[in-house]
Amino acid sequence: NAGVTQTPKFQVLKTGQSMTLQCAQDMNHEYMSWYRQDPGMGLRLIHYSVGAGITDQGEVPNGYNVSRSTTEDFPLRLLSAAPSQTSVYFCASSYSDGTAYEQYFGPGTRLTVT
Amino acid sequence: GQSLEQPSEVTAVEGAIVQINCTYQTSGFYGLSWYQQHDGGAPTFLSYNALDGLEETGRFSSFLSRSDSYGYLLLQELQMKDSASYFCASSGYSTLTFGKGTMLLVSP
Repeated sequence: NAGVTQTPKFQVLKTGQSMTLQCAQDMNHEYMSWYRQDPGMGLRLIHYSVGAGITDQGEVPNGYNVSRSTTEDFPLRLLSAAPSQTSVYFCASSYSDGTAYEQYFGPGTRLTVT
Repeated sequence: GQSLEQPSEVTAVEGAIVQINCTYQTSGFYGLSWYQQHDGGAPTFLSYNALDGLEETGRFSSFLSRSDSYGYLLLQELQMKDSASYFCASSGYSTLTFGKGTMLLVSP
């Protein structure tokens, strides 16, 4: 099992560019989520999905879109990158029992927007 | 809204015991999770308390008091490899809200 994989590991964007961060899991988890982590801020939930075709907003959704067409994949799209989106992005997955208390995290994507 | 408070940094020596506290103010609270993160790597799950009391997993234990909106992570027989950031996180319906993290520095 590869667990949760994320690509790319590092990315530099110019302001206004768009891109998609990829996330995949091979554990057949129904629940998947995206977080961003900024220095001293902990992890903040961007979007989450409780199953294919179902997505919802987290704490900081503005500027990001998601879709969930399969159980395995949960891509995060930055529509028009801004310097404030410079961060480390983590994707996670979990069994869906309504609590999401135990999540398995990917290695992260380090994004810089100039 | 949801908020969790934990100390920003704790220091201890090898072999010692350290307690990392977490107080929370959340709605729709299901339980309290703890995660460990080494140097910007992937966070990893340590423990979860849905009910009041102590849960023990090897050298790590976690405690929850719902009436006090308080929990803690207890690390025993500290090792150098325990130097990391530790996050408490409140579990709600399909969401996990994280505290800002406590950096634990273990010295020889």
